[in-house]
Amino acid sequence: DIQMTQSPSTLSASVGDRVTITCRASQNIINWLAWFQQKAGKAPKLLIYQASTLESGVPSRFSGSGAGTEFTLTITNLQPDDFATYYCQQYESSWTFGQGTKVEIK
Amino acid sequence: QVQMVQSGGGVVQPGRSLRLSCAASGFRFHNYAIHWVRQAPGKGLEWVAVISSDGTNRYYTDSVKGRFTISRDNSKNTVYLHMNSLRLEDTAVYYCARSEWIYSSQFDHWGQGTLVTVSS
Repeated sequence: DIQMTQSPSTLSASVGDRVTITCRASQNIINWLAWFQQKAGKAPKLLIYQASTLESGVPSRFSGSGAGTEFTLTITNLQPDDFATYYCQQYESSWTFGQGTKVEIK
Repeated sequence: QVQMVQSGGGVVQPGRSLRLSCAASGFRFHNYAIHWVRQAPGKGLEWVAVISSDGTNRYYTDSVKGRFTISRDNSKNTVYLHMNSLRLEDTAVYYCARSEWIYSSQFDHWGQGTLVTVSS
């Protein structure tokens, strides 16, 4: 089974900051990686798929990069609505999520 | 617009059964695979099961194999998760999500989630 490891687990930031979340896969997943945002009590929302493709309707301050085993989600100019938990997910072989990164207000 | 409306959660005793439903609208349901993903209280996301667009292929995570069955009725635009022999560790919010294909396809729309609590 492919394991996904996210870091950090928690991130404290301020409005306007640039934040980066890293996700590492235990084996090569090519670019079959998605990023989701989840707010308390709500379903996850797709932000990015195939490592770097922005889902329709998602603000351009979100971007993804990487290939193989190392991936990043970057949020530039952090907005109040962006404080949430973020998950990566691989879908190269079965489906596995990272443990999540909570972005909290500094 | 795309909607996936879930129902069927609740409180159930260990060893009992429950059926979850996910009713879809706003898209060609029969063209999409449907997944179930769960989230235990305060925990992360765990993929549970998937069914192909025509219902011929079904896959499960190891911890639910032999206990859970995923099915679909394309005439009703609905997917079901039949959960038998429920355990305490099955307590979670269960989400349905669609993907265009079973493989190499992102989960682009999700249901609102339904809570299953297994408790004596």
